[in-house]
Amino acid sequence: GAVVSQHPSWVICKSGTSVKIECRSLDFQATTMFWYRQFPKKSLMLMATSNEGSKATYEQGVEKDKFLINHASLTLSTLTVTSAHPEDSSFYICSAREHPRGLAAETQYFGPGTRLLVL
Amino acid sequence: AQKITQTQPGMFVQEKEAVTLDCTYDTSDPSYGLFWYKQPSSGEMIFLIYQGSYDQQNATEGRYSLNFQKARKSANLVISASQLGDSAMYFCAMREGTRANAGKSTFGDGTTLTVKP
Repeated sequence: GAVVSQHPSWVICKSGTSVKIECRSLDFQATTMFWYRQFPKKSLMLMATSNEGSKATYEQGVEKDKFLINHASLTLSTLTVTSAHPEDSSFYICSAREHPRGLAAETQYFGPGTRLLVL
Repeated sequence: AQKITQTQPGMFVQEKEAVTLDCTYDTSDPSYGLFWYKQPSSGEMIFLIYQGSYDQQNATEGRYSLNFQKARKSANLVISASQLGDSAMYFCAMREGTRANAGKSTFGDGTTLTVKP
């Protein structure tokens, strides 16, 4: 099956620094990527939808200046947490899908996630 | 209103027995897809099974089957012959087919399944 990678898998940083997380589709072209945030034992909350070559669409309540998303190519999307604070500590998961064959049928492929700890 | 409801925060099952994880959904879109994912402690989301709203038959994938009751808007996951490795968190998700929501999945709160030896 399709593979999505994320880098880094773990990051610990000081408060006030910026952290960049990469999401790559390894064997397919992802026209759309999604960024989720998950707190321990909780559900996945969609943060934004990233389309190649255009601006990301953010969900209500997500600060676009705080969480910068760039989808520069068909295989790479990046999430930058700017001026990170302890409350940004979380598990961030990306997912990708190929050029849609049908709106509901295709499977999303998830990356392994990135655990961010801000001290 | 919550679109995906998983009412069981935690479930226990004896090894080799079957277990049903509940999921109900809410949508007015006639075209939608329902998904189940497994998330072990490592954090990766593992796709298990998919059911389309127009599918006539219930989906099955190995030991996983989806009990799709469209009129009740339920999509319960049945795991047969539970194994210790099935212990994980399980999420039900829905993706609606309209252009406005294209590609966005909504997840339930999850059910933590523990398989007892």
